[in-house]
Amino acid sequence: QKEVEQDPGPLSVPEGAIVSLNCTYSNSAFQYFMWYRQYSRKGPELLMYTYSSGNKEDGRFTAQVDKSSKYISLFIRDSQPSDSATYLCAMPSEGGSEKLVFGKGTKLTVNP
Amino acid sequence: DADVTQTPRNRITKTGKRIMLECSQTKGHDRMYWYRQDPGLGLQLIYYSFDVKDINKGEISDGYSVSRQAQAKFSLSLESAIPNQTALYFCATSPPGTADGGEQFFGPGTRLTVL
Repeated sequence: QKEVEQDPGPLSVPEGAIVSLNCTYSNSAFQYFMWYRQYSRKGPELLMYTYSSGNKEDGRFTAQVDKSSKYISLFIRDSQPSDSATYLCAMPSEGGSEKLVFGKGTKLTVNP
Repeated sequence: DADVTQTPRNRITKTGKRIMLECSQTKGHDRMYWYRQDPGLGLQLIYYSFDVKDINKGEISDGYSVSRQAQAKFSLSLESAIPNQTALYFCATSPPGTADGGEQFFGPGTRLTVL
C-alpha cells in the first residue's frame, strides 16, 4: 500500500462552488500534514499545514484531519478561477521525518 | 529575485547524452532536494542533501547522480539520458531543525525532454 493516495481528478467546478479534495494515508504515526498548491508551469508552494486531528481554517480554505480513518481533506469555499491549480497533499515519509511524501495531486479547474 | 532558481528552464536532449541540471538558492537553507514530476505519478524524490558533505538517495535515484558544490548549490546529472527520464524536475530547499519535514520551498522547475 502506498503511503499516500490521492484522487488525481481532474475536478471541474463552477465559480462559487465548495470544493473538497482528499487524501488517504497508511502510517497511523503521521502527526503532520500539508497541502501544497501548484499553478501551471510553477513549482509547488505550501498552502496549509496542520498537526494531528481536527480542523484548521485560513480564509476560504479549511484543512481537516481524521486520524481514525487516516483521511485528510482540503475544503475551498466560494471557489474562484484563481484557485485553478493542482493541489498536492504531503506528509512525512515513513523512511524519515526529514523527507516528505506527496500525493499525486488533484487538478482543479474553477470555471467563471 | 527568486529564492530558488533552476537552470535551464527547458532542455531538449538526445538519448545517451550527459546533462546537468543546476539549482541555486539564496534562502540560506541547509537541506536541498531533487524531485521529478510525471503526469499521474506526482512528485518523486531523487536525491536529497542535508549539508555539503551529506548526500542521500531518494526513491528513484537510479540513472541520476548529484553534486552539492556549496550550501547554496545542488546539481543533478543524468550521465546517459534515456527517453523515460523525460519529466519535469524540481529542486527544493528546507531549513534545518524543522519538525517532520517542515515546509519545502520549490524552484520553478526544469522541463527535460529526452528524444
